[in-house]
Amino acid sequence: KQEVTQIPAALSVPEGENLVLNCSFTDSAIYNLQWFRQDPGKGLTSLLLIQSSQREQTSGRLNASLDKSSGRSTLYIAASQPGDSATYLCAVWTGANSKLTFGKGITLSVRP
Amino acid sequence: NAGVTQTPKFQVLKTGQSMTLQCAQDMNHEYMSWYRQDPGMGLRLIHYSVGAGITDQGEVPNGYNVSRSTTEDFPLRLLSAAPSQTSVYFCASSSDRTNEKLFFGSGTQLSVL
Repeated sequence: KQEVTQIPAALSVPEGENLVLNCSFTDSAIYNLQWFRQDPGKGLTSLLLIQSSQREQTSGRLNASLDKSSGRSTLYIAASQPGDSATYLCAVWTGANSKLTFGKGITLSVRP
Repeated sequence: NAGVTQTPKFQVLKTGQSMTLQCAQDMNHEYMSWYRQDPGMGLRLIHYSVGAGITDQGEVPNGYNVSRSTTEDFPLRLLSAAPSQTSVYFCASSSDRTNEKLFFGSGTQLSVL
């Protein structure tokens, strides 16, 4: 059974800092990995999708990498801003039935 | 472009009542799914559909029914509400579940008393 872990559960950083959010998964037979952002009381927004054959994807100040063999992904946020404060979740598609398994998320607070 | 629309946004039920959570998407997505999000448990898949007329169970299907008569709509029915079904429910869709991004609705906050 696929398990997705995100540690730590919460993170507080000063504005302007570059930061890395980690995600690990137990079954490397994935189709893709997605990083999502969730604001309080809102739905999830997909930020980046990395196919299993890819190593990384970039969108603006965000860069996500994937190391399938080691079961790890990182989301790099450059020059963090207070508007980046949210919960960030990673999720992987796995298996013949293509189930999407989510991590529990990292709640990020960027202090002005 | 509306995307994924969920109604209602909030609902309070008494134990034993039934109701339907509505989900509609206007992106012609074949794949649609329902999740519930609970503190400490994360997001868990309830039911999903890979096209009109095709549905399957997810991780926590008990107490819920779905049907998919059109590509656009994927309602979730609570048959006899229980306090354990108090949660935030999200509908999500994708054009290709293994190759494309998943789009979420804004959620329905359900309380069962």
